[in-house]
Amino acid sequence: KAGVTQTPRYLIKTRGQQVTLSCSPISGHRSVSWYQQTPGQGLQFLFEYFSETQRNKGNFPGRFSGRQFSNSRSEMNVSTLELGDSALYLCASSRTGGNSYNEQFFGPGTRLTVL
Amino acid sequence: GDSVTQMEGPVTLSEEAFLTINCTYTATGYPSLFWYVQYPGEGLQLLLKATKADDKGSNKGFEATYRKETTSFHLEKGSVQVSDSAVYFCALSFYNQGGKLIFGQGTELSVKP
Repeated sequence: KAGVTQTPRYLIKTRGQQVTLSCSPISGHRSVSWYQQTPGQGLQFLFEYFSETQRNKGNFPGRFSGRQFSNSRSEMNVSTLELGDSALYLCASSRTGGNSYNEQFFGPGTRLTVL
Repeated sequence: GDSVTQMEGPVTLSEEAFLTINCTYTATGYPSLFWYVQYPGEGLQLLLKATKADDKGSNKGFEATYRKETTSFHLEKGSVQVSDSAVYFCALSFYNQGGKLIFGQGTELSVKP
């Protein structure tokens, strides 16, 4: 079974631009979560999508947004990029969301560098 | 708010040494607890989990026990190998928050031959 895939793996942008990252979950998984990993702040939860609906959201500004498609693939978008947005963005999928323990499977991440 | 605190790294050990990485948490409810491992250039992999007090998670020689009285979930391994060199993350989640994991800062482990 294929794992979680993220594209692109590396991205370089300049301040003020916007960027879209993509995540394809494991087949059959309906929940996709996004995390930002930086040396200073560590791993921080951005948001979770389940059945095309955002069901959890972290403490990030509105410049960070996401969506999920009917095939469970998800995209996250960052508008008006800032230097501080440079990070590894990780996507994780799980079988279901909600009121149960769900093992999350992580992708390799997209390394975003903002110049 | 809810949070996870891990011992700071990096931790450097010789092969076959005993490993302990401390993890404590602050939570308003009764979370599930996890240890994840991140090898260089890769995403996170679930190492072990415990979903209620006194549960012991174990995998690949690693163990951790959910201690509600001390709000701790320390990771231990009796004999580390060079291949265990990685960054280890302690995390918690709540049953009604599905995909949201709250992570500690991570502890880098380096095992020397």
